[in-house]
Formats: sequence, C-alpha cells, structure tokens
Amino acid sequence: DAKTTQPNSMESNEEEPVHLPCNHSTISGTDYIHWYRQLPSQGPEYVIHGLTSNVNNRMASLAIAEDRKSSTLILHRATLRDAAVYYCILRDTNRDDKIIFGKGTRLHILP
Amino acid sequence: GAGVSQTPSNKVTEKGKYVELRCDPISGHTALYWYRQSLGQGPEFLIYFQGTGAADDSGLPNDRFFAVRPEGSVSTLKIQRTERGDSAVYLCASSLTALPYNEQFFGPGTRLTVL
Repeated sequence: DAKTTQPNSMESNEEEPVHLPCNHSTISGTDYIHWYRQLPSQGPEYVIHGLTSNVNNRMASLAIAEDRKSSTLILHRATLRDAAVYYCILRDTNRDDKIIFGKGTRLHILP
Repeated sequence: GAGVSQTPSNKVTEKGKYVELRCDPISGHTALYWYRQSLGQGPEFLIYFQGTGAADDSGLPNDRFFAVRPEGSVSTLKIQRTERGDSAVYLCASSLTALPYNEQFFGPGTRLTVL
C-alpha cells in the first residue's frame, strides 16, 4: 500500500490559515487522497478528498501537487475547535477497502 | 439524523473474561468497519463487512477476536479470554458502500480496559 508522511505536530495561531503537508511519493494513478481528523475523545471525521484537481468544501481546501506526490490541507482560518490530529490517507479507486491510518499530524491552535 | 452509535461507551473487565462490543451503523450503510486505537496511535484496522459477510478480516490480531453482522446492520465485536494488551478504544465506522470515494462515518468508540 502506498504510504504517506506527515509531520508529527504543528502549531498555529487562532484565526490564521494553516497549511498541513503530506508527502506520498509512491502514490499510484488510481489513489484518492483523503483527509480525516480526530478531535479529542472523538472518532475520526471526514474532512475532504481529491484525486488530481484542487478541492474546496466548507471545512477546508485540498491542494494537490501537479505530480501528485504531495498535497496540502488548508484550513483558511483556524479556530480553537480545529485542534485535532489530522490524517492524510491514500485509498485506491479500484478497490473496496479499509482505511490505513498513520500517526497523523497533531495540530495545536494557540489563542 | 442519527450517526453511528456504539455501546457501551466504557467497559472494564478482568483478564480472561469475554466481552461484546456493539455497533449500530447509519441506516442504509452497507459497509461497516471495526478499528482499534491505542493511546497516541492512529486507528488500526481490524475487520470490515460488506453486507452480512466479512470482506476483509486481515486486521484481527488472533483467534480470540471475532465479529458478526448477521442481518447486515448491527455488528458485534467479540473478544474471548481478554488480555491486558486488548485495552484500547474500539471504533466502529460505516459508509454507504466500501468504495473509496464514500466517506466513513465513525462512532464515538468503546473504551475497553482489561484489568
């Protein structure tokens, strides 16, 4: 399975944008890039996913590099409620399959 | 609408006992997943069901762990002869199908403590 690499932790100030990087140099042409996050004492929740083009939704934006070997999750204006562990995950479009989580990035938001 | 629910929220048991953990998925979701999460780690896949059948049980650590989904909705994760190393948060998720563009919806988890 293709793997992802994320920083262990990041800090950001409240009300500022946050850019969470993810490297996936062995991504295949059929892998979707998914992001989930896990707030304290809760189960993970879906954030966003994309294949090739940049994606926006009400929670975040996903910027995908042209070669698809890296991507960045963008929170446009972080709030204290965005403090969570963020997981970058690859899922093969050709397979019904489970999610393989890594350790993710723990995002700390400073008031 | 109702999300994924899991019961009990907390379970404390003694080493060697049998436990059952229940998951109620979102109505109409055909795929159901079990994960477990140890402190400081990401969720670890255990098993997933497509309908009533286990499509992939490769994550079950040994034969003490078993899961069923007899009617294609509610699922039960069963752990026999519990060990202290089984202590973790057990997470259940469901999705419309198992296809990768369908997001998974997670429950709040069951915290299992084996004394």
